[in-house]
Amino acid sequence: GESVGLHLPTLSVQEGDNSIINCAYSNSASDYFIWYKQESGKGPQFIIDIRSNMDKRQGQRVTVLLNKTVKHLSLQIAATQPGDSAVYFCAAPENSGGSNYKLTFGKGTLLTVNP
Amino acid sequence: DSGVTQTPKHLITATGQRVTLRCSPRSGDLSVYWYQQSLDQGLQFLIQYYNGEERAKGNILERFSAQQFPDLHSELNLSSLELGDSALYFCASSVGQGLEKLFFGSGTQLSVL
Repeated sequence: GESVGLHLPTLSVQEGDNSIINCAYSNSASDYFIWYKQESGKGPQFIIDIRSNMDKRQGQRVTVLLNKTVKHLSLQIAATQPGDSAVYFCAAPENSGGSNYKLTFGKGTLLTVNP
Repeated sequence: DSGVTQTPKHLITATGQRVTLRCSPRSGDLSVYWYQQSLDQGLQFLIQYYNGEERAKGNILERFSAQQFPDLHSELNLSSLELGDSALYFCASSVGQGLEKLFFGSGTQLSVL
C-alpha cells in the first residue's frame, strides 16, 4: 500500500492568501520527505525537502512542517499566486532492497488559485 | 529545465505494437528511474537503474523492460501494447541510489488506440 497520502484531493484559494497542503505518512522509519509541484503537461518539479531531524524548513515563499509524532507533514505557500496552480505531491523514499530506494508519491492535491 | 531529457514527447500507436521511450539523465547522475502516471493510479514507480545495473523493480509489467546503457541514457520498452497502457511515462534521475531528491523529465505521453 501507499506510504504517503494526501488529505484533500483539491484546494481552492484566493490570490494572495496562504495555502496549506497536508500529507500523512505511515512509515515511522521514514526520515526524508520531498514536496513536488506538477504543472499541467510537465514533469514533477522539486520544491523543498526536509529530513526527520528538522521540524521546519523554509524556502522562498514555501515552508514545510514535519510532525513526527503524528506522522504528518504540510506544505505552506505564502501569498499564493496564479502561477502556483498545480498538483502538489508529497513523496518519501522507500527502501527497495539493499542500499536502493524508490521514491513513493501520494496521489496529489490540485491547488487552484483564483484571481 | 530539470536537465533530464525525454523523447519523444508524444507517441500514438495501436494495440499490440511495441514502442521505445528514451531518457537522458542529468549530467553526473548515475541513477535513472521510470514512472508511469495515469489518472487513477497516480505516479507509479516502475524500475530503477544505477550505473548500468537494474537495482529495483516496482509495478512493472512483464511486457515492459528497460535498460541503461554505458553512457547512462536509458530506454523503456513497452510491447504488446494495450489500451490500458496509455499514460504519461516519466524518467527521473539522481546522483545516488535514491535517498535523495529526483529530477524529472517532462515525460512521454503514450496513447494506445
